[in-house]
Amino acid sequence: GQNIDQPTEMTATEGAIVQINCTYQTSGFNGLFWYQQHAGEAPTFLSYNVLDGLEEKGRFSSFLSRSKGYSYLLLKELQMKDSASYLCAVRDRGSQGNLIFGKGTKLSVKP
Amino acid sequence: NAGVMQNPRHLVRRRGQEARLRCSPMKGHSHVYWYRQLPEEGLKFMVYLQKENIIDESGMPKERFSAEFPKEGPSILRIQQVVRGDSAAYFCASSPGRGTEAFFGQGTRLTVV
Repeated sequence: GQNIDQPTEMTATEGAIVQINCTYQTSGFNGLFWYQQHAGEAPTFLSYNVLDGLEEKGRFSSFLSRSKGYSYLLLKELQMKDSASYLCAVRDRGSQGNLIFGKGTKLSVKP
Repeated sequence: NAGVMQNPRHLVRRRGQEARLRCSPMKGHSHVYWYRQLPEEGLKFMVYLQKENIIDESGMPKERFSAEFPKEGPSILRIQQVVRGDSAAYFCASSPGRGTEAFFGQGTRLTVV
């Protein structure tokens, strides 16, 4: 079956670093995506990993280990506007392009 | 370049009525995906379409739900005889090709009363 797990909620302090983990079990693998979603708004693309390793993009970095079925999203220098849900999604190898989403991690950034 | 446009943003229907949700993909995108998001749940894939073709409808309920993406005009997700359990946010995403990054619209929040 298809299963993607990530913590339901996390809290962090402004200026700090936070790591949001995601583990997945899918019948195949063809890429992992991270999206940010503010309440009532559209998910916006953050990162894409298809090979093992770290992808860095400004304050955000994403890591993938395919052998462990594991990814994390690292957010540095947290800002209040980073308070949002972070969605981990996997594209199954056999899929036509659609994504399998986790339930999302709701991050609250405190002053 | 306008993003993915969905309308209406909010839709209220009584039980038994029909709901029509529209999605205009980004310019140059010919691939459209529909997802449903229930409160406190993740996004669930419903259907994947290209112009005039349904590519994958494995996530669509077998009854009452249908989708189309005509040669001209937006993609339409149609829900007939709505029930309270259909209340959710429905998101559309588009991409320029299969397997490429998908961009999401703002969603349509359907409330069935």
